[in-house]
Amino acid sequence: NAGVTQTPKFQVLKTGQSMTLQCAQDMNHEYMSWYRQDPGMGLRLIHYSVGAGITDQGEVPNGYNVSRSTTEDFPLRLLSAAPSQTSVYFCASRGQGMGNEQFFGPGTRLTVL
Amino acid sequence: AQSVTQPDIHITVSEGASLELRCNYSYGATPYLFWYVQSPGQGLQLLLKYFSGDTLVQGIKGFEAEFKRSQSSFNLRKPSVHWSDAAEYFCAVGARTGNNRKLIWGLGTSLAVNP
Repeated sequence: NAGVTQTPKFQVLKTGQSMTLQCAQDMNHEYMSWYRQDPGMGLRLIHYSVGAGITDQGEVPNGYNVSRSTTEDFPLRLLSAAPSQTSVYFCASRGQGMGNEQFFGPGTRLTVL
Repeated sequence: AQSVTQPDIHITVSEGASLELRCNYSYGATPYLFWYVQSPGQGLQLLLKYFSGDTLVQGIKGFEAEFKRSQSSFNLRKPSVHWSDAAEYFCAVGARTGNNRKLIWGLGTSLAVNP
């Protein structure tokens, strides 16, 4: 199993550009989520999905879109990048049930100039 | 409101010394509790979890944690720290919000280990 994979590992964007961060998991997990990690602010939930075709907003959804057309994939779209979106982004997945371990991808370090 | 507090932002210990990282939570019901570790430049990895049964739980890498309901705490401990334990440690609570269950994260404790 590859677990949770994310691409790219690093990305530099100019303000106003759009891009998609890719996330895939091969564990047949229903629950997937996107976090951003900023110094001193811990992990903040952007969007999450409880299954294919179902997504919902987290704490900080503005400026981001998600879709879940398959169980495996959960891409995160930045519509018009802003410097405030400079961060490290983590995708995570787990099985149904709160007691299940959440598996994290290696992260994408995004810089918006 | 549901919340997780990790009172120590940064801790430095000497290699071989014991370690305790504090975690306090605010949640009305019996919580699901987790400790995750993040090594530099890596994603997060589960160390251990608690949701029922014995209040002292064992995890990977020699870590343990004790759930104390009366103190709303879930402190992480290790008897003898190794240099490779230098990392960021996050406590999290699995909480119900509406119809969904989400993880509520502490801000993390950064651990440095002196040789």
